[in-house]
This record gives sequence, C-alpha cells and structure tokens, in this order.
Amino acid sequence: EEQLLESGGALVQPGGSLRLSCSASGFTLSNFAVNWVRQAPGKGLDWVSAISASGDARLYADSVKGRFTISRDNFRNTVHLQMSSLRAEDTALYYCVQRITEYEDSSGSHGRYYHTWGQGTPVSVSS
Amino acid sequence: QSALTQPASVSGSPGQSITISCTGTSSDIGTYNLVSWYQQHPGKAPKLLIYEGTQRPSGISNRFSGSESGNTASLTISGLQAEDEAHYYCCSDAVYTPVVFGGGTKLTVL
Repeated sequence: EEQLLESGGALVQPGGSLRLSCSASGFTLSNFAVNWVRQAPGKGLDWVSAISASGDARLYADSVKGRFTISRDNFRNTVHLQMSSLRAEDTALYYCVQRITEYEDSSGSHGRYYHTWGQGTPVSVSS
Repeated sequence: QSALTQPASVSGSPGQSITISCTGTSSDIGTYNLVSWYQQHPGKAPKLLIYEGTQRPSGISNRFSGSESGNTASLTISGLQAEDEAHYYCCSDAVYTPVVFGGGTKLTVL
C-alpha cells in the first residue's frame, strides 16, 4: 500500500520557524512530484507548494512565497518544507501529497491530480 | 474566497442520487479540463475520488461519477449510503495559480 508520512509539526510562536518532512512507503517518492496542501481548522483545502520529481522546479502560493522553501532529498526519499516567519494564519494541518503531473498520449492529456495523501502534520502558530 | 465555486452543503436520503457542482472559469476548468474530486471524512485525510474529470481510481465505487462541461464540473453520487456523508472538494490547475480547490461541499445523508 502506498503511504505518505509527514512529521515536524508543532506549536511555534509568531515569527518562528519549522521544518516539515515527508517520507513514503510502498512506492518511490523520488519518481513523483510532491505538493504540500494545508487545511486550517474547520476550513477547506489550500495549496501551498510544489516540487518536481527532480527538484528542479519549485512553486509557491503567494501567501507563503519568500517565507517557505520546499526541497527534496531523492537519495533519502524525503521532501521537506522549511517554514519561516510564521504567522497565525499559517496555522493548519499540513498534508504531503503525491502529485500525478500532466502527460500526453494518443488519447489526449492526463494527470494533474493528487493520488496519495499523508495523514497530515499539525502546525499551530500562537504566542 | 475559493476560485472554484461549490455549494456549501447538499443533502439526500439513502438510495437517492445527488450532484455537486464545481464552477470555475476559462482560466481553470475551461483551460485544463482535468478536474479531480476528493472525499474527506471528519478527522481523516482527503482521498482521491475522481480524476481527469470522469475517471475512478481502483477501489472507488461506481456509484461515484464525474462529468465536465465548459467551465463546470460535477460529481454525482448515486444510491446514497450513510458512509457517503463527508466533505467533497473539486480541484483544477489554473492559469493564475498552479492549483486551485473548491471551497468544499458538506454532504449530509438524511
């Protein structure tokens, strides 16, 4: 069974930093793009960041750009989200998600969806 | 405010069918036509339900079906069961942001 496991969530003061990690079992994480999606308490899903399988391409939501950095270590089969200058509005459950990127074949375009989700790691920003 | 618009809530009785709409624009659903849907039970992680607008992953009941037309996608659940009570989210790539989600729809099985 393909699984993702996040770790690193914690209670942190505003302005503080935190590093989230994501590891996989049942499949080779380094073969896939990985995204972070968060969910504030009682709210919907909010895309945060993405990294390509190779690590060459990285994307960020405007709300976290300049404060969060996504990276991956394909040797250790892990993905990280370094979060700094944390704000109260960053409080959420952070999910690591396996992304199926777009590909083309004779029948057209495919992909662009999230196949496997982790259970999430909670981040709480409060004084 | 979410860029993809879903009804906040829908309800139905066991055995009935319901449809959840997901309305976007020509800058998201209308451009990519590869909407995905996710089911989330309370306290659980979201789970892939429909991908590429109409495709079901292995293990997902054929009571769940998806469709797309223009800038709108829909999720239909037939033969409602108590276990279907959950939140449902649509998702699309977009021109203005890599990924956008709908605000979510709470399904209540009466």
